[in-house]
Amino acid sequence: AQSVTQLDSQVPVFEEAPVELRCNYSSSVSVYLFWYVQYPNQGLQLLLKYLSGSTLVESINGFEAEFNKSQTSFHLRKPSVHISDTAEYFCAVSGANFGNEKLTFGTGTRLTIIP
Amino acid sequence: SQTIHQWPATLVQPVGSPLSLECTVEGTSNPNLYWYRQAAGRGLQLLFYSVGIGQISSEVPQNLSASRPQDRQFILSSKKLLLSDSGFYLCAWSAINRAGETQYFGPGTRLLVL
Repeated sequence: AQSVTQLDSQVPVFEEAPVELRCNYSSSVSVYLFWYVQYPNQGLQLLLKYLSGSTLVESINGFEAEFNKSQTSFHLRKPSVHISDTAEYFCAVSGANFGNEKLTFGTGTRLTIIP
Repeated sequence: SQTIHQWPATLVQPVGSPLSLECTVEGTSNPNLYWYRQAAGRGLQLLFYSVGIGQISSEVPQNLSASRPQDRQFILSSKKLLLSDSGFYLCAWSAINRAGETQYFGPGTRLLVL
């Protein structure tokens, strides 16, 4: 079984400042890692995911996350945030093998951008 | 393109009343379907998933049930709602049952049980 820890439930950041949202996971098998974003009163949508290859993955709107196997982390970063980034961000993990496809989500981090 | 619908968008129900939430997917066939509940500060909890018509797996014991009467229809039900059933219910689909597949979420139903 897998588990995900998002230590920060809320992160306030000034507009155009950098941000890092932390995610740590635990698993006894190899994993796939995901970040989903939920804008107010909407469902979730995939932001980026790591399956294999380069440990640094990027989204189309400037976010990036780096898979660090030794630290069992998949932190999400953006060098300069915008008002439109205000949302809740969920880290998720699944096993990378047959029988472990279900996603396990963290409790989420609410990112608030201060003008 | 694929789309996923959920209704109703919001629902207020008294304790002990029945529940039926519906989710439909368009533009794909034989999707994997999922029901999640999102409660404040607790992230998303997987309730049920289905890999095909009539095939339902339950993740947590509770007074909810799910059914899949058609390939692209997934229904969440309860015979008698509890206060603890309040929350935001999200339906999702993925193309196949394979690790690493992206899940696509519907807009959700906000349920308040009074």
